[in-house]
Amino acid sequence: NAGVTQTPKFQVLKTGQSMTLQCAQDMNHNSMYWYRQDPGMGLRLIYYSASEGTTDKGEVPNGYNVSRLNKREFSLRLESAAPSQTSVYFCAAGHTEAFFGQGTRLTVV
Amino acid sequence: GQSLEQPSEVTAVEGAIVQINCTYQTSGFYGLSWYQQHDGGAPTFLSYNALDGLEETGRFSSFLSRSDSYGYLLLQELQMKDSASYFCAVVYRENTGFQKLVFGTGTRLLVSP
Repeated sequence: NAGVTQTPKFQVLKTGQSMTLQCAQDMNHNSMYWYRQDPGMGLRLIYYSASEGTTDKGEVPNGYNVSRLNKREFSLRLESAAPSQTSVYFCAAGHTEAFFGQGTRLTVV
Repeated sequence: GQSLEQPSEVTAVEGAIVQINCTYQTSGFYGLSWYQQHDGGAPTFLSYNALDGLEETGRFSSFLSRSDSYGYLLLQELQMKDSASYFCAVVYRENTGFQKLVFGTGTRLLVSP
């Protein structure tokens, strides 16, 4: 009964480092999303995936890449982290009713 | 593009009723969703309206008018635990045929004793 699982929960990176945020769902949803949340900015869509093997850009895709290798997993990669990418990242699955992971609090110093 | 507007903050007292409005500009509109988020937590789904009218779920109700591109979330018998941020979100269909979910900036509700 896990729903949507994100890892890690917290991460500190140095500028220029790379990392991958992992997301997995056990709800059999086709649609999956990555959002970032900054104070006063709401949830902004980075990338989404309508089904296995397909991905598309959202509002703020620059500096990120994604991979949807199978229906369960949708990962978000930062190739060269920048301080502007300090944020809380949420993965979600579904669309009319979306289920969210617990978030990853990322700090880039 | 898509745009949603909602008030940044609303205050109310315990036991009262509060309405949070949301207006949107969206092509390929499918429906309007509402989510609740407590500080430090993840958003959780509250309701979804695809058709005009009122949907009631316990103390929470959600309304949609497609012709006015407008919806609201109504919270009754407010409790302290309702203090949270509330987001409206549109589900819309892109030219690709795929459905996407885009959020407003959120309304912070403060409930006082």
